[in-house]
Amino acid sequence: EAGVTQSPTHLIKTRGQQATLRCSPISGHTSVYWYQQALGLGLQFLLWYDEGEERNRGNFPPRFSGRQFPNYSSELNVNALELEDSALYLCASSKEETQYFGPGTRLLVL
Amino acid sequence: SQQGEEDPQALSIQEGENATMNCSYKTSINNLQWYRQNSGRGLVHLILIRSNEREKHSGRLRVTLDTSKKSSSLLITASRAADTASYFCATDADSNYQLIWGAGTKLIIKP
Repeated sequence: EAGVTQSPTHLIKTRGQQATLRCSPISGHTSVYWYQQALGLGLQFLLWYDEGEERNRGNFPPRFSGRQFPNYSSELNVNALELEDSALYLCASSKEETQYFGPGTRLLVL
Repeated sequence: SQQGEEDPQALSIQEGENATMNCSYKTSINNLQWYRQNSGRGLVHLILIRSNEREKHSGRLRVTLDTSKKSSSLLITASRAADTASYFCATDADSNYQLIWGAGTKLIIKP
């Protein structure tokens, strides 16, 4: 069974640009979660999608947005990038209680 | 906001010793989970303990849960260099499966 996949693995952008991160969940999982993890810190919850709908979002500005497609894959968009957006962005999928994580996208904003 | 608080923030022990990490949380929970993160990579689920369970084992891992104290501990016995990682606890406080995460314990196993 294939795990959660994320692309790209690394992304370098300059301040003010937009970034698009992608996530494919495990087959059969309908929920996708996005997290931001700054270097050396814990996970900060960004967004939760389930069955194509946004179920909840964390304490992040509106320039962080996303969507979930009919095949349950998901995109995270970050507009007007700021230096402090540099972080590891993790996607996880779940069917019930346990979350299964992808390897992450490391975003560097210069 | 973070619900779980791991203790200690960092732990360094010799290979072969046991490692104990603690997690405290604030509200009632349905279950508590432990995850491991190797350096800069995705998290891996280790074990889930439900609110009506007190202890659970998985290989060299032992998890306890004390709902009266709102705390959990993760014990790794006979540690190995490969156990070097950050360990996070996460709680499922209601039935929507959204997890609340602690800040993690960084474990270093010295050869």
